[in-house]
Amino acid sequence: AQTVTQSQPEMSVQEAETVTLSCTYDTSENNYYLFWYKQPPSRQMILVIRQEAYKQQNATENRFSVNFQKAAKSFSLKISDSQLGDTAMYFCAYSGTYKYIFGTGTRLKVLA
Amino acid sequence: ETGVTQTPRHLVMGMTNKKSLKCEQHLGHNAMYWYKQSAKKPLELMFVYSLEERVENNSVPSRFSPECPNSSHLFLHLHTLQPEDSALYLCASSQEMPPGRGGYEQYFGPGTRLTVT
Repeated sequence: AQTVTQSQPEMSVQEAETVTLSCTYDTSENNYYLFWYKQPPSRQMILVIRQEAYKQQNATENRFSVNFQKAAKSFSLKISDSQLGDTAMYFCAYSGTYKYIFGTGTRLKVLA
Repeated sequence: ETGVTQTPRHLVMGMTNKKSLKCEQHLGHNAMYWYKQSAKKPLELMFVYSLEERVENNSVPSRFSPECPNSSHLFLHLHTLQPEDSALYLCASSQEMPPGRGGYEQYFGPGTRLTVT
C-alpha cells in the first residue's frame, strides 16, 4: 500500500526568506502523480503544484518549486521569497488510479 | 455560486440522530470525493464517485452512507455516529480523463465541521 510521510509538523520562516518542506512516499507503482496542497486558516484547500512521476524535470509555479527524487521517493517543496499569505497547512499527496493519499501536513508560519 | 460548496458549514448532532451533508460542484467535473480530516491525522479518502458510480469505498463504517444523484451533487448521510467521528468533512471534485485515472487537480469545498455529542 502507498504511504505519504511528512516529518515536519510545524515550521516557521521569516518573510522574504526561503523554506523547504519535506515529503517522502512509498509505492510500487511506476506511474503516479504527486501534489502539494495548501490549506490557509479557515479557507479552502487549493493546489500549489503538481508533478508527474514520469517527468524528470521538477515542476515550478512562480515562487514554488519541487525537488523530485524518484529513486529516493522524495518530493520536497521549496517556497522562495516567503510572504505572509503563505501561512497555511501544506499537504503532500500521492495519486494513482482511484487512489489519493495525503500526508499529515506541515503547518507553516511566515513571520513578519 | 462558484467552485465547490458544502452545507451545512457546522453541524452538532447526538449519537442517535440522522443528518446529511451536502456538496455541490459548479465546475462540470466528472468525479467527486468525500474526505475526513481529523487533527494530526492524514486526510482520509472515504468515497470516490466517478460518472455518478461509486468506485471506491475505503473500508468506511456503514454509519456513513454516500449518495450521488447526479454529477453535480454528492451527499453523505450520517446515522448513529460515534464521538470519534467528529471531524472536518471535505468534499472535492475533479475532471478525470479517463475517469478514475487519478493525477488531476482536486477542487475542495470549505468543509463541514461535525461534532458528535
